[in-house]
Amino acid sequence: GESVGLHLPTLSVQEGDNSIINCAYSNSASDYFIWYKQESGKGPQFIIDIRSNMDKRQGQRVTVLLNKTVKHLSLQIAATQPGDSAVYFCAENNAPGGYNKLIFGAGTRLAVHP
Amino acid sequence: DAGVIQSPRHEVTEMGQEVTLRCKPISGHDYLFWYRQTMMRGLELLIYFNNNVPIDDSGMPEDRFSAKMPNASFSTLKIQPSEPRDSAVYFCASSRDRSNEKLFFGSGTQLSVL
Repeated sequence: GESVGLHLPTLSVQEGDNSIINCAYSNSASDYFIWYKQESGKGPQFIIDIRSNMDKRQGQRVTVLLNKTVKHLSLQIAATQPGDSAVYFCAENNAPGGYNKLIFGAGTRLAVHP
Repeated sequence: DAGVIQSPRHEVTEMGQEVTLRCKPISGHDYLFWYRQTMMRGLELLIYFNNNVPIDDSGMPEDRFSAKMPNASFSTLKIQPSEPRDSAVYFCASSRDRSNEKLFFGSGTQLSVL
């Protein structure tokens, strides 16, 4: 994802609606992608991941979609709940030489309103 | 497992002082990462280790920053001398091995340099 400086993009949704958070990644050779959720005052927590040989993966209430043609990743959250309010980061494994090296996007703030 | 453990949780120091941040990765994890998080720059990868060996330190901002991993269960990130612009949250994370890229983050150290 691209840096947005001081202000994170914010997605505001109503409780119960579906949320879609988007991310553009930089390296067409990246073979692994991952989404994290970060609540205030805490470290990022794993949500879901996907490898480049897949274009969709589902978890509990979450789905990740990968479009390698346009280097785009999205996270869909079904039936969004107040507890989903957080900053969401995508990351790609950008590792020449075969090592793990996760590079994070700027993040998107999700605000869930009752 | 207790997860990735970082200390201290908060650090307040004066400009010019030495700061040492500590991390204990999850037992059995081969990779250890240090990230810095600020509003302006997001989550930046500073350095990472594989089997206690530094692999990529290209993210370390200046010679004032140094990191060590003397054994598989301990790493330090040192800033000497510290400057106000070093104020940030510093996260340590670990991952199991090359085929398991999922990072597990600690709770972070909130550093304030006055």
